[in-house]
Amino acid sequence: DAGVIQSPRHEVTEMGQEVTLRCKPISGHNSLFWYRQTMMRGLELLIYFNNNVPIDDSGMPEDRFSAKMPNASFSTLKIQPSEPRDSAVYFCASSLSGGEETQYFGPGTRLLVL
Amino acid sequence: AQKVTQAQTEISVVEKEDVTLDCVYETRDTTYYLFWYKQPPSGELVFLIRRNSFDEQNEISGRYSWNFQKSTSSFNFTITASQVVDSAVYFCALIGYNFNKFYFGSGTKLNVKP
Repeated sequence: DAGVIQSPRHEVTEMGQEVTLRCKPISGHNSLFWYRQTMMRGLELLIYFNNNVPIDDSGMPEDRFSAKMPNASFSTLKIQPSEPRDSAVYFCASSLSGGEETQYFGPGTRLLVL
Repeated sequence: AQKVTQAQTEISVVEKEDVTLDCVYETRDTTYYLFWYKQPPSGELVFLIRRNSFDEQNEISGRYSWNFQKSTSSFNFTITASQVVDSAVYFCALIGYNFNKFYFGSGTKLNVKP
């Protein structure tokens, strides 16, 4: 079975540009999570969807970040405009239902904003 | 408040040694879930184990074992006869039943030397 799929795996962009990260959860999973990992802050939950509806976006750093889940098999995390401090690894994870279920992580997108 | 503490930032052992990674948590929930994830140098997050708060039975899976003690709020992870392939960062995580957020510890980097 395919795991969580993320694209791109690596992204290098210049400050001010728009960045879109993509995620395809495991088929049949109803919950999707976006995380950011940095050396300074570790792993942080950005936003959590359940049945395509955002449940908790309190971790989204600021208005430059937005996330959508138009259907059960696709989600995007957009940063506009990007800043150097957004450089991090962004992980997408999915679970059967709810946060208490085991979350399976994608390979991550390594973002570098110059 | 919920919190996960992994006091050991980095541990180095020689192959075949046993090693224990500590995890101490705080929660007010009576129902909660604990997890261990492995992040090898390649960067992906690999699920190792999920435990609910009502199941204090220790678990063994091959060379891996977990010791869950509610009395000390600890969920420690032991690798027996460590191997070089065990070198990774190991994260302990907690989620409460009524919360959607996933609280990760800061991780313990394990170096297994040949």
